Amino acid sequence: SQTIHQWPATLVQPVGSPLSLECTVEGTSNPNLYWYRQAAGRGLQLLFYSVGIGQISSEVPQNLSASRPQDRQFILSSKKLLLSDSGFYLCAWISGTGELFFGEGSRLTVL
Amino acid sequence: AQKITQTQPGMFVQEKEAVTLDCTYDTSDQSYGLFWYKQPSSGEMIFLIYQGSYDEQNATEGRYSLNFQKARKSANLVISASQLGDSAMYFCAMLRASYDKVIFGPGTSLSVIP
Repeated sequence: SQTIHQWPATLVQPVGSPLSLECTVEGTSNPNLYWYRQAAGRGLQLLFYSVGIGQISSEVPQNLSASRPQDRQFILSSKKLLLSDSGFYLCAWISGTGELFFGEGSRLTVL
Repeated sequence: AQKITQTQPGMFVQEKEAVTLDCTYDTSDQSYGLFWYKQPSSGEMIFLIYQGSYDEQNATEGRYSLNFQKARKSANLVISASQLGDSAMYFCAMLRASYDKVIFGPGTSLSVIP
């Protein structure tokens, strides 16, 4: 069966520090992958999506970037975090029936 | 550009009653998919129901049904016989025809009252 994992689950980072969130999918090949961010009490904002290795579409021009070095690996990065980067980050992949499966989420607090 | 609107930031419903959560969308695509997800306070995203734009019948999944009105571009979620465990955030989402981009609405917070 297919599973999706992301880590770390929680992190507290100072302003200006780098960020790396990792997401991996198991049990499927060539999935479409997504990074969303959710501010407290708000909806899901699509940050990046990828339809294949090295193919990244950016929805929000910010200091965040994404990479897909392997078929089932999706990484969210930042060179210098801002206070506004705080939030709950969710990785997801989409099945053949169109259902999105989400990872456990990574809660980022930037101080 | 695609957009999802959920006009009810918060809703209350009595236990065992039915409730309708509104969702309207905007897209120029002829083919698309619509979803509803539930997010409890734990943060996990739980898939509830899916409706394809060419599906003639409204989707149903147990106590959940999707009232799809294509001409009005609405996809309202109906929860029958509400339970205390239904208290959560509910998000409407749309999948583009090209099967790449999925966007979400701002969500509705549902509280079920005993």
